[in-house]
Amino acid sequence: KAGVTQTPRYLIKTRGQQVTLSCSPISGHRSVSWYQQTPGQGLQFLFEYFSETQRNKGNFPGRFSGRQFSNSRSEMNVSTLELGDSALYLCASSLTGGADTQYFGPGTRLTVL
Amino acid sequence: GQSLEQPSEVTAVEGAIVQINCTYQTSGFYGLSWYQQHDGGAPTFLSYNALDGLEETGRFSSFLSRSDSYGYLLLQELQMKDSASYFCAVRAPSGNTPLVFGKGTRLSVIA
Repeated sequence: KAGVTQTPRYLIKTRGQQVTLSCSPISGHRSVSWYQQTPGQGLQFLFEYFSETQRNKGNFPGRFSGRQFSNSRSEMNVSTLELGDSALYLCASSLTGGADTQYFGPGTRLTVL
Repeated sequence: GQSLEQPSEVTAVEGAIVQINCTYQTSGFYGLSWYQQHDGGAPTFLSYNALDGLEETGRFSSFLSRSDSYGYLLLQELQMKDSASYFCAVRAPSGNTPLVFGKGTRLSVIA
């Protein structure tokens, strides 16, 4: 089976712009979670989608949003980018979420200038 | 909320054994997981403990004591390729809540 894929792998934006990141889960996986990873804060949970519905949400401002499509692919959007949004954005998929093992994609490295 | 504490850095010699500790404070508890992440790579799942005791997978073992809110990852016969960051993660209070990760332990294996 192909693993979790994320596009793009690298992205450079300027403050105030918006960005959309994409995640394709492992075939058959219906849960997709998104995380922000920074050197100082580790992995911070953003949100989880299951069957096109947001099931859990972390403590991030409303500028961070996401969605999931019927084929389980997911996108996350960050509007009005700030310098502090520079990070590695990881998505992880699992069969049904919950206690299932999560499989991570390679991440998208976002740099905000 | 949940919080996890793990050492930020550990250095060990090739061929030796190293233990990475993780203590957690949670409102409820469902299970403790461990992930490995090499530089520039994605986190990969290593082990999961829902009940007290030791889980062994090859050179890696993970231990959990729910009464002490404590767990550890044990790496035996260390190899240079084990140099990576190791994260403990807790799921609480139920199985449907998202994983909360510790800030990671950077393991350096030296010759």
